[in-house]
Amino acid sequence: NAGVTQTPKFQVLKTGQSMTLQCAQDMNHEYMSWYRQDPGMGLRLIHYSVGAGITDQGEVPNGYNVSRSTTEDFPLRLLSAAPSQTSVYFCASSSFNYGYTFGSGTRLTVV
Amino acid sequence: ELKVEQNPLFLSMQEGKNYTIYCNYSTTSDRLYWYRQDPGKSLESLFVLLSNGAVKQEGRLMASLDTKARLSTLHITAAVHDLSATYFCAGDFAMNRDDKIIFGKGTRLHILP
Repeated sequence: NAGVTQTPKFQVLKTGQSMTLQCAQDMNHEYMSWYRQDPGMGLRLIHYSVGAGITDQGEVPNGYNVSRSTTEDFPLRLLSAAPSQTSVYFCASSSFNYGYTFGSGTRLTVV
Repeated sequence: ELKVEQNPLFLSMQEGKNYTIYCNYSTTSDRLYWYRQDPGKSLESLFVLLSNGAVKQEGRLMASLDTKARLSTLHITAAVHDLSATYFCAGDFAMNRDDKIIFGKGTRLHILP
């Protein structure tokens, strides 16, 4: 049982490049979310989804897109990377009343 | 605005001592979570609190929830060095059938031997 799998673990981008962070879960969870973690800021919600075909914005959605075509996958797309998007990104999924299971994280640096 | 506030943000304490981390939230929350994060690692779920008055314990950690006061606490009993980590609380705010889980900024706990 793999849980929540995030790829890649590390990535360096140049300003203006685009990329997709992948997230997959094998627990048949309806809820999935993306967070970014910055020093002193805790985790901030970027986008979330309550089921396939349904997504919504979190606290800091600008510069990011998501889609949820299947229950298992919830990719996060950076449209045009900026240095302010340098962060650690976590994907998480949950079932009702059980809290989130987090992926191992992606450390992204934009230069 | 949905807000989750933890205090203190940093705590240094001696082994064997007791202490409490506080988590206040701004509006009605369906559920309250506590997580642990070790440096460079992901988040590990510690407790899920589902109702007013809920109390859960695991080893030297005990979490409680008071929904009327919009307050959750994480109590550490007789701290040991292995409990050094960052602890996050998170509120689950159900809005229009959607769930937003909002995190506090975390409490970095450093336990001195």
